[in-house]
Parts: sequence; C-alpha cells; structure tokens
Amino acid sequence: DAGITQSPRHKVTETGTPVTLRCHQTENHRYMYWYRQDPGHGLRLIHYSYGVKDTDKGEVSDGYSVSRSKTEDFLLTLESATSSQTSVYFCAISEAGETQYFGPGTRLLVL
Amino acid sequence: EDQVTQSPEALRLQEGESSSLNCSYTVSGLRGLFWYRQDPGKGPEFLFTLYSAGEEKEKERLKATLTKKESFLHITAPKPEDSATYLCAVQFSGGSYIPTFGRGTSLIVHP
Repeated sequence: DAGITQSPRHKVTETGTPVTLRCHQTENHRYMYWYRQDPGHGLRLIHYSYGVKDTDKGEVSDGYSVSRSKTEDFLLTLESATSSQTSVYFCAISEAGETQYFGPGTRLLVL
Repeated sequence: EDQVTQSPEALRLQEGESSSLNCSYTVSGLRGLFWYRQDPGKGPEFLFTLYSAGEEKEKERLKATLTKKESFLHITAPKPEDSATYLCAVQFSGGSYIPTFGRGTSLIVHP
C-alpha cells in the first residue's frame, strides 16, 4: 500500500472556524491532490500540486486553499468553514500524474 | 453534462452470477482510463490502467476492457467480498491531464 496518511481522520467544527487538513506521503511522489466525495457527486477535485510550491485549482476550489512547502506534505485549509463543506475529504498521490493512490480519508462535519 | 458516465448506478448480483459494469466518456483523446475499487469508509484502491482500444487487464475475478469510447469491468463468478463501489476515471490528452471521475457503480453480491 502507498504510504499516505491523513490527519485528522474525523473532525467536527463550527461554522466560521478555520480548519486545516493534512496529507502526508512517504513515497516521494511528485503529484498530490485533494478531493471531496459527496453522495450523488462522486469524487470532485479541489486543488492539486505538481511540485513543491506548485499548486492549481480544481473544479470545486472556492472556499479552499492549499499549501505544499515540502514534497511529503500537502495541506488543505478551509478559511471559514461552512455547512456546505461537510464532506469526506481524500488526499491522493501520483508519481507521474496518472495512476493515483488514495489516503484513508477525513470525515468533516461543520455544524 | 458529465464527461465520464458509469452505469448502472447500482447492481445487485447473486454469488456466482457474472456481469459487467460500464464506463463511457464523451471527450475525444484518451490518455488513460483507470478503475478503482472503494469499500465503505475507505479510500479508493487502484485496480487497473488501460491506455488503448483493445487492451485488456485481469486480476482474479475482474477483467477490464477498453474500446474507443467505453470500458467494461467484467466480474466473473463474483463473491460477496467483491461487494464495493467501483469507480472509473478518465485522463484526457488535452488540458491539465487531471483524471475525471465517474460517479461509480455500487455492487452488492449476495451469498
């Protein structure tokens, strides 16, 4: 199994508070991705990174920001959480931008 | 309009009853097509990558095939442990190369 961890695994927060999710990899893969998964929508890309400090937006990036200061870590920040951001968040990594390997997910509930 | 469509949305089979899942895509210029398996509460797990029409890949009871506009995941003599959601993702040759996911097929195999 690819070495990907996500933290926290579960989080409950209140509307308006900032939240940061962390993805950590031990595979030295170049590409890292953040997805959210919701019933009826499947996996939707939030942001991705193609190298240290190189990031770009996905299809549902509004309300989210990311940072990647070193190869192994990719952070997703919700600056001011809203109830619509209640979801399951998955991090994925890829060596060459093709086959992706996913982390175990973070369940976020925004009250 | 979805670029990647999976059908059926849900499928119930009896143990041993073979069937196929479909993944079709509308944009021309395929770079790669990926199949993943997702168990409840877990991240997607990579199964296969297909690159060109006519290509086939097999793993245990699963066989993935690719034509010019669609892929099939054939499940031969399924067992209850094959129950999962199967996701298809397509990487197109134009644009950012980020794979686009379908919404998945939920498979339940009854003993």
